[in-house]
Amino acid sequence: NAGVTQTPKFRVLKTGQSMTLLCAQDMNHEYMYWYRQDPGMGLRLIHYSVGEGTTAKGEVPDGYNVSRLKKQNFLLGLESAAPSQTSVYFCASRDPSQGLASPLHFGNGTRLTVT
Amino acid sequence: KQEVTQIPAALSVPEGENLVLNCSFTDSAIYNLQWFRQDPGKGLTSLLLIQSSQREQTSGRLNASLDKSSGRSTLYIAASQPGDSATYLCAVIRGNNRLAFGKGNQVVVIP
Repeated sequence: NAGVTQTPKFRVLKTGQSMTLLCAQDMNHEYMYWYRQDPGMGLRLIHYSVGEGTTAKGEVPDGYNVSRLKKQNFLLGLESAAPSQTSVYFCASRDPSQGLASPLHFGNGTRLTVT
Repeated sequence: KQEVTQIPAALSVPEGENLVLNCSFTDSAIYNLQWFRQDPGKGLTSLLLIQSSQREQTSGRLNASLDKSSGRSTLYIAASQPGDSATYLCAVIRGNNRLAFGKGNQVVVIP
C-alpha cells in the first residue's frame, strides 16, 4: 500500500515554462488536495477536489490549474511558471466516509524551483 | 476565516524533558484536529487525530488534548528524545471541508 505518491520529487523550471505535477493515491479516497509550503507562510491550499470530475479553488489558486479525471489521480498544472511559484508542493487525500475520524494523508512533496 | 496559531514557533529542550506544544484556533466549529510531524525536506506524518466530540487522544509518549470552547489544543510529548526533533503542525478541519494549518512548532531536543 503506497498511500499518496507524488511525482516528480524535484524539478527546476525556467520562467514561462509549463509542467504538471502528478499525485496518485491507492486508498480510494474521495477528497484530494494540493498545498504549497513556503518558509514563514505555512501550508496554503491551492485547489482541492471532493470527487472524480470535480475541482474547487483554495486560498491561492492563481497561476495553477487542476484536473481530477480519475479518482486516484489529482494533477496540478503550471501553465507559465513564475519565480513566485518556487515552493514545496504537497498533495493530500482524505476519506470522508470515515466522518469525523478521517485523517489527512500526505505525499512526500515536490520541490519546485523556478529561475 | 479560521486562523490557527502555534506557539512557540521554535523551542529547544534537553533530552528527557516533557514537551508541551500549543495550537489555538479562532473558530470553534471544527470537525476534527490533527497533529502532524514534519522532518526537514520531508512530507507530513500524521501523529494524532482528535474528533470534535473528544477531549484527548494518546499514542505512546504522545498525548493531544482538545478544548473546543477555548479554541485550543495541546500536544504533550513525554520524556523527549533527540529523535523527536522535528516541526510539529496542527490542522483543523471545518464543515466546508477546508483545512487550516498552523505554521508549526520547530522542536530541537538536545542530547
